[in-house]
Amino acid sequence: NAGVTQTPKFRILKIGQSMTLQCTQDMNHNYMYWYRQDPGMGLKLIYYSVGAGITDKGEVPNGYNVSRSTTEDFPLRLELAAPSQTSVYFCASSYGAGGGANVLTFGAGSRLTVL
Amino acid sequence: RKEVEQDPGPFNVPEGATVAFNCTYSNSASQSFFWYRQDCRKEPKLLMSVYSSGNEDGRFTAQLNRASQYISLLIRDSKLSDSATYLCVVYNFNKFYFGSGTKLNVKP
Repeated sequence: NAGVTQTPKFRILKIGQSMTLQCTQDMNHNYMYWYRQDPGMGLKLIYYSVGAGITDKGEVPNGYNVSRSTTEDFPLRLELAAPSQTSVYFCASSYGAGGGANVLTFGAGSRLTVL
Repeated sequence: RKEVEQDPGPFNVPEGATVAFNCTYSNSASQSFFWYRQDCRKEPKLLMSVYSSGNEDGRFTAQLNRASQYISLLIRDSKLSDSATYLCVVYNFNKFYFGSGTKLNVKP
C-alpha cells in the first residue's frame, strides 16, 4: 500500500502561472482533504471532499479549485499563482466520519514557491 | 476566534523529564480529538486519539475535558526522539481543525 501519494514534491512557479497538485490514495478512503502549512504555523484547510463528486470549501479556499471525479484522486488547482500561495501543501484522507474511521493519513507534502 | 489554540512553546526539557501540553477548542459540538506529531519538514502523523475517559499509550497520556473544552497530552520519561512539534486536532462535522502546534526539544 502506497497510502497517500502527492506530486510534485517541489515546484517553483512564477507569479500568474497555474498548476495542479496531484493527490491519490489507495486505501479506499471516502474523505479527502487539502491543507496548507505556512512556516511556524498550523495546518489550514483549503478544500475537502466526502466522496466522489462532492467537494466543499474549507477555511482558506480563495485562489484554489478542486475536483473529485474518482474515490482515489483529489487534485488541487492553483490559478494565477501569487506569492501568498508559497507554502507546503498536504493532502490527507480518512475512511469515514465516526470513531476510529476518522483518523487522517497524510501525504509527504508538496513544497511550492511562487516568485 | 481560533477553532483550536495551543501554547507554541518551545518546551526545552532534559531527557527523562515529564512534560505536559495543553490545548483548548472553541466549538462545544466537536466530536473527536487527536494528538498528531510532526517532525521537521515532514507530514503530521497520528500520535493518539483522545477519549473522554482519558487514555494512555506507553509513556503518553491524553485527557479530554469536554466541560472546559480542554485537551492535554502528558509525556513521561522524555526521550531525545520525542523532539518534535505536537499538534492538537479537533474533528467537527467532516472537518479536522489543527492547532498551530507546540514545539518540544528534549536535551541530553
